[in-house]
Amino acid sequence: SQQGEEDPQALSIQEGENATMNCSYKTSINNLQWYRQNSGRGLVHLILIRSNEREKHSGRLRVTLDTSKKSSSLLITASRAADTASYFCSQGGSEKLVFGKGTKLTVNP
Amino acid sequence: EPEVTQTPSHQVTQMGQEVILRCVPISNHLYFYWYRQILGQKVEFLVSFYNNEISEKSEIFDDQFSVERPDGSNFTLKIRSTKLEDSAMYFCASSEVGLAGEADTQYFGPGTRLTVL
Repeated sequence: SQQGEEDPQALSIQEGENATMNCSYKTSINNLQWYRQNSGRGLVHLILIRSNEREKHSGRLRVTLDTSKKSSSLLITASRAADTASYFCSQGGSEKLVFGKGTKLTVNP
Repeated sequence: EPEVTQTPSHQVTQMGQEVILRCVPISNHLYFYWYRQILGQKVEFLVSFYNNEISEKSEIFDDQFSVERPDGSNFTLKIRSTKLEDSAMYFCASSEVGLAGEADTQYFGPGTRLTVL
């Protein structure tokens, strides 16, 4: 797997607002995965989007994938304080996940 | 929903001692992994395990580290002689085999916090 680069590094919003995080990668992919990590806790798999998909939804999460630009975005709608966490993307297709620094999202009540 | 579990949640040990960190992967998963995260740093891959053998390991995973699947449910990480710099959160993960025979989505356990004094 190859590391994704998340952007921005930090994002602070008010509860109820939407949060958008971006991920860029360098090589071709079979799929791309987004994970969340609450401070000091394990990683939680959020969503996997395959290379032949352009958009995928899961609850308040919406992920898009643009393989021509080698980029993906994660949108969290109607954010809650509990969404405060770091968010990471990683390319799938092999066994090793490589994590970047992620986007640290803070949702203020 | 099935989960990856890890024990203990916190392990304190003296430098030079051996530690064994235990994981119970999700029952129908065939790929197993260990990652670690030093406080304030990125999550780092250590090793992947499939078909009763290591399939990939990182530079961190030197001779002091070993993994084992002693029975049908447990997956362990052993550090033979701990160093201060081994202090970190250690995460176990597991995944199914995907349609193309490769590893699918990885599911992580809650981690074991290892403190080496």
